[in-house]
Amino acid sequence: DQQVKQNSPSLSVQEGRISILNCDYTNSMFDYFLWYKKYPAEGPTFLISISSIKDKNEDGRFTVFLNKSAKHLSLHIVPSQPGDSAVYFCAARSYNTDKLIFGTGTRLQVFP
Amino acid sequence: DTAVSQTPKYLVTQMGNDKSIKCEQNLGHDTMYWYKQDSKKFLKIMFSYNNKELIINETVPNRFSPKSPDKAHLNLHINSLELGDSAVYFCASSPGQDFKDTQYFGPGTRLTVL
Repeated sequence: DQQVKQNSPSLSVQEGRISILNCDYTNSMFDYFLWYKKYPAEGPTFLISISSIKDKNEDGRFTVFLNKSAKHLSLHIVPSQPGDSAVYFCAARSYNTDKLIFGTGTRLQVFP
Repeated sequence: DTAVSQTPKYLVTQMGNDKSIKCEQNLGHDTMYWYKQDSKKFLKIMFSYNNKELIINETVPNRFSPKSPDKAHLNLHINSLELGDSAVYFCASSPGQDFKDTQYFGPGTRLTVL
Protein backbone atom coordinates (compact mmCIF):
# COMPACT_ATOMS: atom_id res chain seq x y z
CA ASP A 1 0.00 0.00 0.00
CA GLN A 2 1.95 2.97 -1.30
CA GLN A 3 0.63 5.98 0.55
CA VAL A 4 3.25 8.38 -0.77
CA LYS A 5 3.97 8.24 -4.47
CA GLN A 6 6.63 9.84 -6.55
CA ASN A 7 5.60 8.78 -10.00
CA SER A 8 8.58 10.20 -11.85
CA PRO A 9 11.64 8.09 -11.11
CA SER A 10 13.90 10.59 -12.84
CA LEU A 11 14.03 14.15 -14.09
CA SER A 12 16.63 15.93 -16.19
CA VAL A 13 16.86 19.73 -16.16
CA GLN A 14 19.25 22.25 -17.60
CA GLU A 15 21.27 24.40 -15.22
CA GLY A 16 19.53 27.68 -14.46
CA ARG A 17 16.05 26.34 -15.21
CA ILE A 18 13.37 25.34 -12.77
CA SER A 19 13.16 21.78 -11.43
CA ILE A 20 9.74 20.60 -10.31
CA LEU A 21 9.51 17.38 -8.36
CA ASN A 22 6.09 15.97 -7.61
CA CYS A 23 4.64 13.87 -4.86
CA ASP A 24 1.12 12.49 -4.39
CA TYR A 25 -0.35 10.99 -1.27
CA THR A 26 -3.47 9.07 -0.38
CA ASN A 27 -3.76 9.32 3.38
CA SER A 28 -5.83 12.27 4.62
CA MET A 29 -4.26 11.82 8.07
CA PHE A 30 -0.95 13.22 6.84
CA ASP A 31 -0.37 16.60 8.46
CA TYR A 32 3.30 17.30 7.84
CA PHE A 33 5.42 16.82 4.76
CA LEU A 34 9.17 16.82 4.28
CA TRP A 35 11.61 16.62 1.44
CA TYR A 36 14.92 14.88 1.84
CA LYS A 37 17.80 14.90 -0.60
CA LYS A 38 20.20 12.01 -1.05
CA TYR A 39 23.57 11.88 -2.73
CA PRO A 40 25.08 8.52 -3.74
CA ALA A 41 26.68 6.60 -0.87
CA GLU A 42 25.27 9.05 1.67
CA GLY A 43 22.19 9.08 3.85
CA PRO A 44 19.23 11.36 3.12
CA THR A 45 19.52 14.93 4.39
CA PHE A 46 16.61 17.16 5.29
CA LEU A 47 15.81 19.86 2.77
CA ILE A 48 12.50 21.57 3.50
CA SER A 49 9.16 20.85 5.12
CA ILE A 50 5.60 22.12 5.18
CA SER A 51 2.72 21.80 7.58
CA SER A 52 -0.74 20.95 6.29
CA ILE A 53 -2.02 24.31 7.54
CA LYS A 54 0.10 26.05 4.91
CA ASP A 55 0.14 25.85 1.16
CA LYS A 56 3.64 27.16 0.54
CA ASN A 57 7.00 27.25 2.24
CA GLU A 58 10.08 28.83 0.79
CA ASP A 59 13.75 28.53 1.70
CA GLY A 60 16.15 30.16 -0.68
CA ARG A 61 16.03 28.41 -4.03
CA PHE A 62 13.66 25.75 -2.68
CA THR A 63 9.89 26.12 -2.43
CA VAL A 64 7.41 23.46 -1.49
CA PHE A 65 3.76 23.79 -2.50
CA LEU A 66 0.95 21.81 -0.93
CA ASN A 67 -2.43 21.26 -2.54
CA LYS A 68 -4.49 19.46 0.08
CA SER A 69 -7.58 19.02 -2.03
CA ALA A 70 -5.53 17.25 -4.69
CA LYS A 71 -3.34 15.50 -2.10
CA HIS A 72 -0.35 16.72 -4.01
CA LEU A 73 2.85 18.48 -3.14
CA SER A 74 5.68 19.69 -5.26
CA LEU A 75 9.22 20.90 -4.73
CA HIS A 76 10.46 23.70 -6.93
CA ILE A 77 14.13 24.42 -7.28
CA VAL A 78 15.03 27.60 -9.06
CA PRO A 79 17.52 28.19 -10.46
CA SER A 80 18.70 24.59 -10.65
CA GLN A 81 22.40 23.95 -10.14
CA PRO A 82 24.54 20.92 -10.98
CA GLY A 83 25.06 20.36 -7.24
CA ASP A 84 21.32 19.76 -6.93
CA SER A 85 21.75 16.48 -8.81
CA ALA A 86 20.59 13.89 -6.30
CA VAL A 87 17.65 11.68 -5.38
CA TYR A 88 14.80 13.59 -3.73
CA PHE A 89 12.47 11.81 -1.33
CA CYS A 90 9.10 13.09 -0.32
CA ALA A 91 7.95 12.02 3.16
CA ALA A 92 4.72 12.47 5.07
CA ARG A 93 3.82 12.21 8.72
CA SER A 94 0.55 10.70 9.80
CA TYR A 95 -0.78 12.45 12.92
CA ASN A 96 -2.75 9.45 14.12
CA THR A 97 0.08 6.93 13.90
CA ASP A 98 2.95 9.44 14.15
CA LYS A 99 4.94 7.63 11.53
CA LEU A 100 6.93 8.93 8.61
CA ILE A 101 6.15 7.41 5.23
CA PHE A 102 8.61 7.91 2.41
CA GLY A 103 8.11 7.91 -1.33
CA THR A 104 10.47 5.99 -3.59
CA GLY A 105 12.39 9.06 -4.70
CA THR A 106 12.99 11.01 -7.91
CA ARG A 107 16.48 11.20 -9.34
CA LEU A 108 17.19 14.76 -10.48
CA GLN A 109 20.00 15.42 -12.88
CA VAL A 110 20.96 19.01 -13.60
CA PHE A 111 23.16 19.32 -16.65
CA PRO A 112 25.23 22.36 -17.73
CA ASP B 1 33.02 15.18 12.44
CA THR B 2 30.44 12.70 11.26
CA ALA B 3 27.10 13.32 12.95
CA VAL B 4 25.61 9.85 12.44
CA SER B 5 28.00 7.05 11.62
CA GLN B 6 27.38 3.42 10.75
CA THR B 7 29.70 0.46 10.49
CA PRO B 8 30.26 -1.42 8.34
CA LYS B 9 29.46 0.41 5.13
CA TYR B 10 29.22 -2.85 3.19
CA LEU B 11 28.40 -6.29 4.47
CA VAL B 12 28.38 -9.44 2.35
CA THR B 13 27.44 -12.66 4.05
CA GLN B 14 25.93 -16.09 3.56
CA MET B 15 22.36 -17.08 4.32
CA GLY B 16 21.91 -18.32 7.84
CA ASN B 17 24.68 -16.20 9.34
CA ASP B 18 24.23 -13.69 12.17
CA LYS B 19 25.50 -10.16 11.70
CA SER B 20 25.43 -6.79 13.44
CA ILE B 21 25.41 -3.22 12.22
CA LYS B 22 26.51 -0.46 14.56
CA CYS B 23 25.27 3.11 14.69
CA GLU B 24 26.51 6.07 16.69
CA GLN B 25 25.37 9.68 16.78
CA ASN B 26 27.28 12.59 18.32
CA LEU B 27 24.45 15.11 18.05
CA GLY B 28 23.13 14.61 21.56
CA HIS B 29 19.78 13.48 20.18
CA ASP B 30 17.32 11.50 22.25
CA THR B 31 15.79 9.44 19.47
CA MET B 32 17.38 6.99 17.06
CA TYR B 33 15.92 4.93 14.23
CA TRP B 34 16.64 2.08 11.88
CA TYR B 35 15.27 2.23 8.35
CA LYS B 36 15.43 -0.35 5.57
CA GLN B 37 15.59 0.64 1.91
CA ASP B 38 14.68 -2.32 -0.22
CA SER B 39 15.33 -3.03 -3.88
CA LYS B 40 12.26 -1.02 -4.87
CA LYS B 41 13.78 1.99 -3.10
CA PHE B 42 11.11 2.15 -0.40
CA LEU B 43 12.56 3.61 2.77
CA LYS B 44 10.66 2.07 5.68
CA ILE B 45 11.07 2.51 9.38
CA MET B 46 11.90 -0.59 11.35
CA PHE B 47 12.53 0.63 14.90
CA SER B 48 12.83 3.78 16.91
CA TYR B 49 14.33 4.24 20.35
CA ASN B 50 13.98 7.21 22.67
CA ASN B 51 16.48 7.44 25.50
CA LYS B 52 17.33 3.76 25.12
CA GLU B 53 13.68 2.69 25.19
CA LEU B 54 11.93 1.04 22.28
CA ILE B 55 9.19 3.30 20.92
CA ILE B 56 8.36 1.87 17.51
CA ASN B 57 8.68 -1.71 16.43
CA GLU B 58 7.23 -2.19 12.99
CA THR B 59 6.24 -5.57 11.67
CA VAL B 60 9.81 -6.73 11.47
CA PRO B 61 10.75 -10.42 11.92
CA ASN B 62 12.05 -11.12 15.38
CA ARG B 63 15.33 -12.19 13.78
CA PHE B 64 16.03 -8.45 13.91
CA SER B 65 16.95 -7.25 17.37
CA PRO B 66 17.96 -3.67 18.05
CA LYS B 67 20.03 -2.81 21.08
CA SER B 68 20.63 0.61 22.55
CA PRO B 69 23.40 0.52 25.18
CA ASP B 70 23.11 4.30 25.58
CA LYS B 71 21.24 7.06 23.81
CA ALA B 72 24.14 7.72 21.44
CA HIS B 73 24.20 4.17 20.09
CA LEU B 74 21.66 1.94 18.40
CA ASN B 75 22.92 -1.33 17.03
CA LEU B 76 21.04 -3.79 14.86
CA HIS B 77 21.63 -7.51 15.17
CA ILE B 78 20.20 -9.85 12.59
CA ASN B 79 19.99 -13.60 13.16
CA SER B 80 19.68 -16.32 10.53
CA LEU B 81 20.04 -13.97 7.59
CA GLU B 82 17.80 -14.57 4.57
CA LEU B 83 18.09 -13.49 0.95
CA GLY B 84 15.25 -11.03 1.45
CA ASP B 85 17.25 -9.17 4.08
CA SER B 86 19.49 -7.79 1.35
CA ALA B 87 18.95 -4.03 1.42
CA VAL B 88 20.50 -0.78 2.51
CA TYR B 89 19.99 -0.11 6.21
CA PHE B 90 20.02 3.48 7.41
CA CYS B 91 20.38 4.64 10.95
CA ALA B 92 19.01 8.07 11.84
CA SER B 93 18.60 10.30 14.87
CA SER B 94 16.43 13.26 15.82
CA PRO B 95 16.17 15.59 18.81
CA GLY B 96 12.75 14.30 19.88
CA GLN B 97 10.21 11.63 19.12
CA ASP B 98 8.00 13.73 16.88
CA PHE B 99 8.39 12.74 13.26
CA LYS B 100 8.19 16.42 12.41
CA ASP B 101 11.67 16.71 13.86
CA THR B 102 14.40 16.70 11.28
CA GLN B 103 16.05 13.33 11.11
CA TYR B 104 19.75 13.03 10.51
CA PHE B 105 20.72 9.93 8.60
CA GLY B 106 23.86 7.87 8.56
CA PRO B 107 25.50 6.91 5.25
CA GLY B 108 23.84 3.50 5.15
CA THR B 109 25.03 -0.09 5.31
CA ARG B 110 24.56 -2.14 2.18
CA LEU B 111 23.84 -5.70 3.24
CA THR B 112 24.08 -8.45 0.63
CA VAL B 113 23.00 -11.94 1.59
CA LEU B 114 24.20 -14.69 -0.75
